[in-house]
Amino acid sequence: AQSVTQLGSHVSVSEGALVLLRCNYSSSVPPYLFWYVQYPNQGLQLLLKYTSAATLVKGINGFEAEFKKSETSFHLTKPSAHMSDAAEYFCAVSVRGTDKLIFGTGTRLQVFP
Amino acid sequence: GAVVSQHPSWVICKSGTSVKIECRSLDFQATTMFWYRQFPKQSLMLMATSNEGSKATYEQGVEKDKFLINHASLTLSTLTVTSAHPEDSSFYICSAPRGAGAFFGQGTRLTVV
Repeated sequence: AQSVTQLGSHVSVSEGALVLLRCNYSSSVPPYLFWYVQYPNQGLQLLLKYTSAATLVKGINGFEAEFKKSETSFHLTKPSAHMSDAAEYFCAVSVRGTDKLIFGTGTRLQVFP
Repeated sequence: GAVVSQHPSWVICKSGTSVKIECRSLDFQATTMFWYRQFPKQSLMLMATSNEGSKATYEQGVEKDKFLINHASLTLSTLTVTSAHPEDSSFYICSAPRGAGAFFGQGTRLTVV
């Protein structure tokens, strides 16, 4: 079975500081991994995805994530936080062959001025 | 880019009534769509997989007679919450797979009073 674990339900950073949101996965087969962002009362927007090509994946809004097989991790980073980055972030793994997404519990990012 | 449109974005209904939520893929065909439920400050839980031309597949614990799913065409799936009760109040989100990953609707906030 596949799963993802997001460490830290809340992360707070100052504007301009590094953002690091952690995600570890469990999968018996090479996974597809995703990061989604959700603003209040809205659906999810894809930030980036890993599909077994380059291990460093660049996404929208300056975010990137690195797939590390040895650490079973897919942490999301952004060099400099912006106030508009405040949202809920979900890591997800795809169940190959079914298109189903299994989500982590989410991390709420707060950005302080 | 591909867009999934969900309607309505919010609805308030009386206990015992039924509510229909629509999910449309606007510029691509979706033979499969997924319906999720999200409780406040929690992750997305997959409720069911909607299949065009065949019966929906429900996840364990989801009442199929209560949450009726119809995939009427290659661009439209509907979720009907029948005989709604206050405990059905939640945020419902649909998604359609597209390549590796999925596009999500804007979500529907259902409040049953």
